[in-house]
Amino acid sequence: ELKVEQNPLFLSMQEGKNYTIYCNYSTTSDRLYWYRQDPGKSLESLFVLLSNGAVKQEGRLMASLDTKARLSTLHITAAVHDLSATYFCAVDLSDKLIFGTGTRLQVFP
Amino acid sequence: NAGVMQNPRHLVRRRGQEARLRCSPVKGHSHVYWYRQLPEEGLKFMVYLQKENIIDESGMPKERFSAEFPKEGPSILRIQQVVRGDSAAYFCASSPLGVRIFGPGTRLTVL
Repeated sequence: ELKVEQNPLFLSMQEGKNYTIYCNYSTTSDRLYWYRQDPGKSLESLFVLLSNGAVKQEGRLMASLDTKARLSTLHITAAVHDLSATYFCAVDLSDKLIFGTGTRLQVFP
Repeated sequence: NAGVMQNPRHLVRRRGQEARLRCSPVKGHSHVYWYRQLPEEGLKFMVYLQKENIIDESGMPKERFSAEFPKEGPSILRIQQVVRGDSAAYFCASSPLGVRIFGPGTRLTVL
């Protein structure tokens, strides 16, 4: 059974600081997604990573994928309060997405 | 492009009643997925459908739950004889293939 684990589960960070969220998965897949979810809201697609070594950046967020290590990272640069949300990685297993446990990020002044 | 639409957005049912959740995919998308999110948890895959076909229902509970995606009209997730443990947010997603676009969800509360 595919397992997708994220760490940390909770992250409280100060504005302006950098941090990385990790997503490990237990089986072969070359397609991984990152989503953001605000409380009580739906999921917003952030990144689609389609191959080994893929790196994508949008604003203060950068995602990467290492399919050999079965690892994806979401790096936050110079955090701001607006980034406070829960972030999920999801591994594509052909017909279904298997979601990670989520990382709840809180950015404080 | 209206995106994925779900209704109702909030649904309250008493134990033993039926819940019907509707999902209209993005126009032109022929793949629909249903996910359930329990409070403070990630999303769990339930079922994957194409028009008139269930492709993968490995995440669906064996009893009381059913899903359809008819040739015309929205996809329906049906929960019979609801219990308190069914309280959750149910999200629908659609895709042509690849990136799933998620709907706003239906929050089901069972009293």
